Amino acid sequence: GNSVTQMEGPVTLSEEAFLTINCTYTATGYPSLFWYVQYPGEGLQLLLKATKADDKGSNKGFEATYRKETTSFHLEKGSVQVSDSAVYFCALISGAGSYQLTFGKGTKLSVIP
Amino acid sequence: DAMVIQNPRYQVTQFGKPVTLSCSQTLNHNVMYWYQQKSSQAPKLLFHYYDKDFNNEADTPDNFQSRRPNTSFCFLDIRSPGLGDAAMYLCATSRGSSPRAPGYTFGSGTRLTVV
Repeated sequence: GNSVTQMEGPVTLSEEAFLTINCTYTATGYPSLFWYVQYPGEGLQLLLKATKADDKGSNKGFEATYRKETTSFHLEKGSVQVSDSAVYFCALISGAGSYQLTFGKGTKLSVIP
Repeated sequence: DAMVIQNPRYQVTQFGKPVTLSCSQTLNHNVMYWYQQKSSQAPKLLFHYYDKDFNNEADTPDNFQSRRPNTSFCFLDIRSPGLGDAAMYLCATSRGSSPRAPGYTFGSGTRLTVV
């Protein structure tokens, strides 16, 4: 079956530090990959996505590259801000006719001034 | 702005008392989903509607039901809430037969407390 593994949190960084949140996956076929962000008390927001190998998704300074050879989709940002503090979920959809998003367990990021 | 709206944001219900959560969308997406997210866990799919076709996940308890009277609205009914049903409930939508490309659009969620 499909699964997503994210690095365990919480992650605490100082403002302007470099961020990496690792994500690897197991899936049938060719999954589409997503990063979602959840701010405190809120629902999920799509941060970025990639639908095929070597695609790079980017948004708000965040980037992730779909690496089929390593089955990875690591999230990076060059300089984090306090407003980036949130929980980040890596997710995938795979399988013919599948509608289910498979999520990782989430990584909580705290950015301190 | 086109969006997914969940009401209420916070719901308190008594143990065993039926409760209904609502979701509406202005995106005209034909697929709607309900996810349950317990504290510090990943969201878990309960069921989804593809148009009027209801699709239940195998491990969704019978205590959870859903209704979709039209394209815009979808309801989650919990017939007899237990303490273990306290969670954030997330509604989401996607378009047509390709949920992969656009991904989902999520509502802000309803946080359910059972007392």
